[in-house]
Amino acid sequence: AQSVTQPDIHITVSEGASLELRCNYSYGATPYLFWYVQSPGQGLQLLLKYFSGDTLVQGIKGFEAEFKRSQSSFNLRKPSVHWSDAAEYFCAVGAGNDMRFGAGTRLTVKP
Amino acid sequence: DGGITQSPKYLFRKEGQNVTLSCEQNLNHDAMYWYRQDPGQGLRLIYYSQIVNDFQKGDIAEGYSVSREKKESFPLTVTSAQKNPTAFYLCATRKSRTAGNTIYFGEGSWLTVV
Repeated sequence: AQSVTQPDIHITVSEGASLELRCNYSYGATPYLFWYVQSPGQGLQLLLKYFSGDTLVQGIKGFEAEFKRSQSSFNLRKPSVHWSDAAEYFCAVGAGNDMRFGAGTRLTVKP
Repeated sequence: DGGITQSPKYLFRKEGQNVTLSCEQNLNHDAMYWYRQDPGQGLRLIYYSQIVNDFQKGDIAEGYSVSREKKESFPLTVTSAQKNPTAFYLCATRKSRTAGNTIYFGEGSWLTVV
């Protein structure tokens, strides 16, 4: 069965610094990969998704993610973090008839 | 205004009571989902439905029930059999239950046992 691991429960970065959130997946075939963001007490909003083609995908709010098949990873990046990026981030894999979510990474942004 | 509407936003339940969370969508999506979110545990699937009058259990269905009488509606009942119901509940939809389709979420409902 497919699974998703987000190794970092909590990350703190300074405003203006770069960000990378890690995501590893387990699935036998090429998965469909997603990143969502959740503000406190709100639903999840899609940041970006990967289905096929170019392994570097661009999303909303200046985020991008790179699919690396050899490492079974789909890490999320942003070159310069803004205070409004503070939130929880979820990686998800859609495969077959299901979608599995990682446990999430909480991002804190220091002024 | 299109989207997924969950209500109520906040709900309090007494011990032994059943409560129902509403989820309505006007996206014309076939598939609908209910997830439970606890701190530090991510999202866990409770129930899902691909079409009207059909639904399947997810990973943590015990103590919950659903119905899908209309395409637009997928209410979740938290029964008294659910021993630890305090959580954040998220309803979601998908155009069809195909791996590549994006799941869209409502704003969530907080349920607290008092």
